[in-house]
Amino acid sequence: DTAVSQTPKYLVTQMGNDKSIKCEQNLGHDTMYWYKQDSKKFLKIMFSYNNKELIINETVPNRFSPKSPDKAHLNLHINSLELGDSAVYFCASSQERLTNSPLHFGNGTRLTVT
Amino acid sequence: GENVEQHPSTLSVQEGDSAVIKCTYSDSASNYFPWYKQELGKRPQLIIDIRSNVGEKKDQRIAVTLNKTAKHFSLHITETQPEDSAVYFCAARSGAGSYQLTFGKGTKLSVIP
Repeated sequence: DTAVSQTPKYLVTQMGNDKSIKCEQNLGHDTMYWYKQDSKKFLKIMFSYNNKELIINETVPNRFSPKSPDKAHLNLHINSLELGDSAVYFCASSQERLTNSPLHFGNGTRLTVT
Repeated sequence: GENVEQHPSTLSVQEGDSAVIKCTYSDSASNYFPWYKQELGKRPQLIIDIRSNVGEKKDQRIAVTLNKTAKHFSLHITETQPEDSAVYFCAARSGAGSYQLTFGKGTKLSVIP
């Protein structure tokens, strides 16, 4: 009964490859996010989608492309992976129609680029 | 945009002592302040939150205080236990429709048995 699930849990790949991370939430939330957590544990927002529409697109290389086929899914595709992309990527969701709804995080995907 | 500063970055306490983590924010329009706990290798999980119309909120051994005038808020953990060891993040948001939580850089709390 995982609320926010993302796959894969671990991803090891070589520089220059293209990879995708998938995320699904079963909470009925209307907003989903991707956060990046680097080795220093900083949590930085990358993207936010509300009802399948892109709301936030922080300064992220255009090699990163989010896709939201419906409200319950937000996938992240990364082209031409670089060493600096190594991090833990967290998907999250919230119900923005409710004032100050908390974020619910997935378990994270640890991406290692070699 | 919002900027959240969090201190200290590391904190060690003896089991049974209290721990206090402090955060300041820059956007006076922010009105929602959650705290997340992240254990090693796991996801951040909400432990307590406070809204701008409340000055203090308590849940068993944890409490959060908010001073809107000074734009700072704090997490207090009393009677600390080894399982409280984790990284704690504060965050702030400018209200419904903002869609973005801005996180502090985290505090690594170690509770020494």
